[in-house]
Amino acid sequence: NAGVTQTPKFHILKTGQSMTLQCAQDMNHGYMSWYRQDPGMGLRLIYYSAAAGTTDKEVPNGYNVSRLNTEDFPLRLVSAAPSQTSVYLCASSLLAYNEQFFGPGTRLTVL
Amino acid sequence: ILNVEQSPQSLHVQEGDSTNFTCSFPSSNFYALHWYRWETAKSPEALFVMTLNGDEKKKGRISATLNTKEGYSYLYIKGSQPEDSATYLCASRFYFGTGTSLTVIP
Repeated sequence: NAGVTQTPKFHILKTGQSMTLQCAQDMNHGYMSWYRQDPGMGLRLIYYSAAAGTTDKEVPNGYNVSRLNTEDFPLRLVSAAPSQTSVYLCASSLLAYNEQFFGPGTRLTVL
Repeated sequence: ILNVEQSPQSLHVQEGDSTNFTCSFPSSNFYALHWYRWETAKSPEALFVMTLNGDEKKKGRISATLNTKEGYSYLYIKGSQPEDSATYLCASRFYFGTGTSLTVIP
């Protein structure tokens, strides 16, 4: 099993550009989540999905998410801003209170 | 949003010292408390999942306790080694504390 995979590993965007961060898991986990990690801030939840086809809460401004199937959970930056410069981590878990398995992360810089 | 707090923010200890960190979390509607270890250039990895009040978990030299009534958990490392250097995160569901960065000095 590959576990949780993320692409790309690094990316540089200009302000106003859009891009999609990819996340996939092969463990048949129901829950998938996106976090951002900024210095001194720990891991901050962006969004989580409980199952394919479900949206559980409002998506924060500047981001779009979709969960068309169990395996994939892409995060789209609609119009990138420098404040979105961060390391983005994707994770999955079988249920909400089970341990999460993390991907290797995407380091994103917005100029 | 759940307010999960950790202390201290960072810690430097000598090899062989024992140390402990604190995680506090809302005690209402408690499901589970997770501890993760996050080493530099790697992804966070789960250490413990704790669900019951009074739970004690142990993995080698690392152990953790849980008090769900008062909303705190302790992580203990006995006889710290340089390879224990990492950031230790606790989480309640999808909400993480800011972590404790541990540096073990040889």
